[in-house]
Amino acid sequence: AQSVAQPEDQVNVAEGNPLTVKCTYSVSGNPYLFWYVQYPNRGLQFLLKYITGDNLVKGSYGFEAEFNKSQTSFHLKKPSALVSDSALYFCAVRDGATDSWGKLQFGAGTQVVVTP
Amino acid sequence: DAGVTQSPTHLIKTRGQQVTLRCSPKSGHDTVSWYQQALGQGPQFIFQYYEEEERQRGNFPDRFSGHQFPNYSSELNVNALLLGDSALYLCASSLAAEWDQPQHFGDGTRLSIL
Repeated sequence: AQSVAQPEDQVNVAEGNPLTVKCTYSVSGNPYLFWYVQYPNRGLQFLLKYITGDNLVKGSYGFEAEFNKSQTSFHLKKPSALVSDSALYFCAVRDGATDSWGKLQFGAGTQVVVTP
Repeated sequence: DAGVTQSPTHLIKTRGQQVTLRCSPKSGHDTVSWYQQALGQGPQFIFQYYEEEERQRGNFPDRFSGHQFPNYSSELNVNALLLGDSALYLCASSLAAEWDQPQHFGDGTRLSIL
């Protein structure tokens, strides 16, 4: 069975400072990892993914994430946060070895608050 | 290029009633997945449809059922509604042949049970 943990309910950061949102996962096969962002009363918006290849993945709006197989982590990062980055962030995993139909397992989400 | 569209945006029902939610996938997509997002939680996978068949199902009771039409649009039906069914229901679409691409989500239907 696959699972995702986002250990922080909320992350507070000042505008201009680096932002990190943590995610660890558990799958039996190869992990396919995703980050999504959700603004109030909206659906989920895709940010970036790791399927294979380079451990550092670059995505939309200046976000990037680092895949660490030994630590089973996929932390989301942004070098300089903006007030507009304030939103709910979800990490999701799919087991590439056992799941051919794309079921996503989501974490509980991390609320990011960026203060001016 | 139209994205994933869901209707209605909001719905209020009472316990015991039945509800149908609708989803039109992103243009070019052939696979539809449904998720339930309770307040303060991450989305939970309900089921996925491809070629008008349910291909995969999450841990949801049989009260939750679905359908996919030849034009790839989909419906989610919930019978005998419970208070605990109050949630945001999200539809996501993808292309089965592009297994490494992300699912695209609609803005959801907010279902409130009184």
